Amino acid sequence: AQRVTQPEKLLSVFKGAPVELKCNYSYSGSPELFWYVQYSRQRLQLLLRHISRESIKGFTADLNKGETSFHLKKPFAQEEDSAMYYCALPYNQGGKLIFGQGTELSVKP
Amino acid sequence: SQTIHQWPATLVQPVGSPLSLECTVEGTSNPNLYWYRQAAGRGLQLLFYSVGIGQISSEVPQNLSASRPQDRQFILSSKKLLLSDSGFYLCAWRATGGQGITLHFGNGTRLTVT
Repeated sequence: AQRVTQPEKLLSVFKGAPVELKCNYSYSGSPELFWYVQYSRQRLQLLLRHISRESIKGFTADLNKGETSFHLKKPFAQEEDSAMYYCALPYNQGGKLIFGQGTELSVKP
Repeated sequence: SQTIHQWPATLVQPVGSPLSLECTVEGTSNPNLYWYRQAAGRGLQLLFYSVGIGQISSEVPQNLSASRPQDRQFILSSKKLLLSDSGFYLCAWRATGGQGITLHFGNGTRLTVT
């Protein structure tokens, strides 16, 4: 069965430090994975999708099929990166997404 | 441009009372519509999904129901709320027709059942 696991509920780093938010998935086939972000007082929104292979706000994520992971990384964290981050994976038909439990990132000055 | 409206923003209801949360989408036709619940420590759980008027798929057994009376209107309901229905409810839409599977979320409704 398809599943998304984010092992860390809370990740706290200092400004300028590297950050990695972990995401592991279980999926039969070629997955398309996403990272969504929810900043304080804002709606949940798409951050990036692996198929685009893009860098958004300095974040990147590489799909590692061998390790079934899609970790989100940023070399130098900023205070404005503090938010709730969700890893997501489509399942069945019709564009449904299943989400991980989310990781709250706190970047301290 | 497309927009999604969800209301109310917050709601406090007693156990056993009915519930009606509404979500509307503007600027698009025949969207796929979704209701998710975000409970503390449990991530985002898909509750209902709709591909068209009157077509509702329930993802998990529960005390809630959903309806889609119009193309861009999605309603989440309950006849009798339970304490366990407390949570943050998010409505989302997705464009159909091969335009990817990016979901666009509303601002959410914080429901507290007392």
